[in-house]
Amino acid sequence: DAKTTQPPSMDCAEGRAANLPCNHSTISGNEYVYWYRQIHSQGPQYIIHGLKNNETNEMASLIITEDRKSSTLILPHATLRDTAVYYCIVSPGYTNAGKSTFGDGTTLTVKP
Amino acid sequence: NAGVTQTPKFQVLKTGQSMTLQCAQDMNHEYMSWYRQDPGMGLRLIHYSVGAGITDQGEVPNGYNVSRSTTEDFPLRLLSAAPSQTSVYFCASSRLAGVNNEQFFGPGTRLTVL
Repeated sequence: DAKTTQPPSMDCAEGRAANLPCNHSTISGNEYVYWYRQIHSQGPQYIIHGLKNNETNEMASLIITEDRKSSTLILPHATLRDTAVYYCIVSPGYTNAGKSTFGDGTTLTVKP
Repeated sequence: NAGVTQTPKFQVLKTGQSMTLQCAQDMNHEYMSWYRQDPGMGLRLIHYSVGAGITDQGEVPNGYNVSRSTTEDFPLRLLSAAPSQTSVYFCASSRLAGVNNEQFFGPGTRLTVL
């Protein structure tokens, strides 16, 4: 599985957009980009994933560069409850799907 | 659906003791895995399984055993607990194939080894 690189921490003002970057320069053609978050010490929670097209759901948007070597998770209107550790991982979209490597992630702090 | 359940929530062991962490899922997922998370760190994969009767090692398998006799259950056994195994343990499950194979995580077991 491709390795990812994320900044260790970021701050964001409440109500503003939070843009979390991730580098995955060794991603393979069949690997998807997944984002999870972990609030306090709870189990990680799935947010969104994509292959090469931009994706949006009720939680967030995912922007993947054309060369697929990096991506950005966007929380459009961050709230205090979005304070969490955000993990970017890459994983095949089929078989061995869960054999994913979680790095240390980005700690996002949303401030009033 | 209960999702992924883990028991116990908390456990304290003495060095050398053995125990089994339980994990169960009711989503008929083929894939199940165990991670450990040390304070301030990310998750590291211990063992995983792609179906009943099939298991394999992850990044940090030493000191742990697993088996998968049913689709629903994936217990993690600590053979002889050591203080270095003090951690939070998460179990996860997902579909094996298809594009919507996000992992579902349990609430974790917080283990302290004295």
